[in-house]
Amino acid sequence: GENVEQHPSTLSVQEGDSAVIKCTYSDSASNYFPWYKQELGKGPQLIIDIRSNVGEKKDQRIAVTLNKTAKHFSLHITETQPEDSAVYFCAASKGPRGAGGFKTIFGAGTRLFVKA
Amino acid sequence: DAGVTQSPTHLIKTRGQQVTLRCSPKSGHDTVSWYQQALGQGPQFIFQYYEEEERQRGNFPDRFSGHQFPNYSSELNVNALLLGDSALYLCASSLGGSGTYNEQFFGPGTRLTVL
Repeated sequence: GENVEQHPSTLSVQEGDSAVIKCTYSDSASNYFPWYKQELGKGPQLIIDIRSNVGEKKDQRIAVTLNKTAKHFSLHITETQPEDSAVYFCAASKGPRGAGGFKTIFGAGTRLFVKA
Repeated sequence: DAGVTQSPTHLIKTRGQQVTLRCSPKSGHDTVSWYQQALGQGPQFIFQYYEEEERQRGNFPDRFSGHQFPNYSSELNVNALLLGDSALYLCASSLGGSGTYNEQFFGPGTRLTVL
């Protein structure tokens, strides 16, 4: 069935270090891969996404890579700051949108701690 | 732009009762998806509405039903509540129609506790 595996479940880094979170998806029809940050008491917030026709995307300190052949995608955060501490979710989405609708499957999440 | 709004913020029900949760999408969005997020877990897709019809559904029983109104707002109904239904219920909105991108914006959620 449709599944997204996410590792690690917990990640602790020193301020200024890099953090890497990895995900694997099962459905080869997935064509959109968003990453969300969720802070306590709030809904997930989109931080970056990547489409299936792109291998890498960068936005300031955040970058994502996608390997469609291996069905792997990763989130890289450089120069981490204490305010980066949160739960991060990867997700895989498929579907034509509109009348066909689409479905998004989330990973179980990674709790990131950035120590000052 | 108020973004995605949900009501109520918190709700306490007892087993066997029924509950209705509400969602208003981000301005300009016409597609609403509902997710259940248990404590310490990722969001689980319940279903999605577009043009007032259910378009996709996850692995949830028929006790979970929904509705979308002409103004694109949506309701999630859960009947015969079980203890296991206790969770944060998230609503996400997006823009449907043509294209291939499924960017969603989430609301703050409704925390449901079933006693």
